[in-house]
Amino acid sequence: DAGVTQSPTHLIKTRGQQVTLRCSPKSGHDTVSWYQQALGQGPQFIFQYYEEEERQRGNFPDRFSGHQFPNYSSELNVNALLLGDSALYLCASSLRQGDQETQYFGPGTRLLVL
Amino acid sequence: QKEVEQDPGPLSVPEGAIVSLNCTYSNSAFQYFMWYRQYSRKGPELLMYTYSSGNKEDGRFTAQVDKSSKYISLFIRDSQPSDSATYLCATDLFHSGNTGKLIFGQGTTLQVKP
Repeated sequence: DAGVTQSPTHLIKTRGQQVTLRCSPKSGHDTVSWYQQALGQGPQFIFQYYEEEERQRGNFPDRFSGHQFPNYSSELNVNALLLGDSALYLCASSLRQGDQETQYFGPGTRLLVL
Repeated sequence: QKEVEQDPGPLSVPEGAIVSLNCTYSNSAFQYFMWYRQYSRKGPELLMYTYSSGNKEDGRFTAQVDKSSKYISLFIRDSQPSDSATYLCATDLFHSGNTGKLIFGQGTTLQVKP
């Protein structure tokens, strides 16, 4: 059973550019969440997608947007990149079972903005 | 004040030692707590989760929640070099029930020396 997969693994961009990161959830999972993890910090919640809709959003600007496809895979888009956007971007998938929704994380995409 | 506080360490112990990792949280309404392990350049891996106060044991790992002091702990018995990683505590973003949107601590880096 494949876990959460993300692509690409590494990416280098320059300030002002746009980037798209991709995530395939664990088999059977219908919810995808995105997190940003700066070096030496814990992950910070960006947003969550369920049934192709953004269900919840963290404290991130509109430059961060996303999409979920009918097969539950997801994309994270960041426009007008800033140096501070350099981080590990993590995708997590989950499936709600009762009152519980356990997150499974992918390996992440490491983004460097120069 | 951050919602979840965690001492970043690093914490270095000899093999076989008992390790205690701790977090505090600010909102008494949080009820669902998790511990994730993150190896270098990997995504977080769920170790344990627990609701409300009390202990939960899984092999060498014990998670403990003290709601009266808003304090959560992870104990590792008979620590091994393979336990060397960053340990992240997390709680759910929303106060009533688990929705899968997580708030993480900064993470504690643990090194177990042979």
